[in-house]
Amino acid sequence: KAGVTQTPRYLIKTRGQQVTLSCSPISGHRSVSWYQQTPGQGLQFLFEYFSETQRNKGNFPGRFSGRQFSNSRSEMNVSTLELGDSALYLCASSDGTLGNTIYFGEGSWLTVV
Amino acid sequence: GESVGLHLPTLSVQEGDNSIINCAYSNSASDYFIWYKQESGKGPQFIIDIRSNMDKRQGQRVTVLLNKTVKHLSLQIAATQPGDSAVYFCAEMDQGGKLIFGQGTELSVKP
Repeated sequence: KAGVTQTPRYLIKTRGQQVTLSCSPISGHRSVSWYQQTPGQGLQFLFEYFSETQRNKGNFPGRFSGRQFSNSRSEMNVSTLELGDSALYLCASSDGTLGNTIYFGEGSWLTVV
Repeated sequence: GESVGLHLPTLSVQEGDNSIINCAYSNSASDYFIWYKQESGKGPQFIIDIRSNMDKRQGQRVTVLLNKTVKHLSLQIAATQPGDSAVYFCAEMDQGGKLIFGQGTELSVKP
């Protein structure tokens, strides 16, 4: 069974641009959540989608958005990139039941220059 | 607010010794906890989890202990190996289902 797959793995963007990251969850999983990891702030929750609906949201500005498709695949978008958005963006999937295991992908490394 | 914190940022152990990584959490209502291992350049890898109705759970070479009285969680790794070198995160799940992570402990295994 394939794990959580994220694309692209690495990307470099310029300030002011926007970026879209993609995540394919484990087969059968309907919940996809996104986390940002930086050396200074650690792992922080961005949002969670379940059955195409945003179910939970962290404390990030509106420049960070996401969506989920009917096949449970998810994308997150960051608009008007800032240098501080440079981070590892991690996608995680679960079956959506509270208290069930959450599995992470390898992440997308975003560098903003 | 809610937070999960690790007591030690780094831990160095000799190969073959047992390792203990500690974690404190602040939300007494949390009822699900997970330990993740993150190797350089990779995403967090699930190690073991525990629910609040348990005090101890064992896996292969790993044991998680939960002390709800003092809101403390620990991960014990038996016979630590070089491949165990990584950053270890504890995480608590809040009532909404999101994970709140500690800052991580870097485990270094000396041969």
